[in-house]
Amino acid sequence: DAKTTQPNSMESNEEEPVHLPCNHSTISGTDYIHWYRQLPSQGPEYVIHGLTSNVNNRMASLAIAEDRKSSTLILHRATLRDAAVYYCTYSGSARQLTFGSGTQLTVLP
Amino acid sequence: GAGVSQSPRYKVAKRGQDVALRCDPISGHVSLFWYQQALGQGPEFLTYFQNEAQLDKSGLPSDRFFAERPEGSVSTLKIQRTQQEDSAVYLCASSLYRIVSTDTQYFGPGTRLTVL
Repeated sequence: DAKTTQPNSMESNEEEPVHLPCNHSTISGTDYIHWYRQLPSQGPEYVIHGLTSNVNNRMASLAIAEDRKSSTLILHRATLRDAAVYYCTYSGSARQLTFGSGTQLTVLP
Repeated sequence: GAGVSQSPRYKVAKRGQDVALRCDPISGHVSLFWYQQALGQGPEFLTYFQNEAQLDKSGLPSDRFFAERPEGSVSTLKIQRTQQEDSAVYLCASSLYRIVSTDTQYFGPGTRLTVL
């Protein structure tokens, strides 16, 4: 099974950068790393994905370690609307995504 | 544009009742997934469809759980003789392709099932 490890919770001040870490030591060379986030009472929402090199989109940046055993989701300026549970995941040999417990991000005003 | 929709959003059932949960995926999406999310946990995979074919049902917790997608679009998750441990949020997700590692899954808002 695809397995990831994330801290249970993190806090950030509004308008400051946030670095959310994830370990995925069992990932294979062809698996993309995906990040989703889940706001209260909503389904998970896609944030970003990448394979080897760092990725940027309008929501966030993804920094992937050279050995691909870990990655970091970077929110450049956290807002109150970014408060959510963030999941790092990959599909492994299965088609489905395997979610861990995620990181609960609290953004302080 | 229309995203994934699920109905009902909330369902309360008495123990032993049968329930049916509906998912309307994004039009044209080939793949459809059902996940179960217990309180405070991440979603857990239940089953996967590619068009109308159910290719993986390894996550269904018991034979009381049944899913179908007869015309390759709308899907229904049915739970027979509900038990209290079935109480959870049931999430549906769809994706455009026949699952490649880059494919993004789009989730619906979920159906919160409470079994009394």
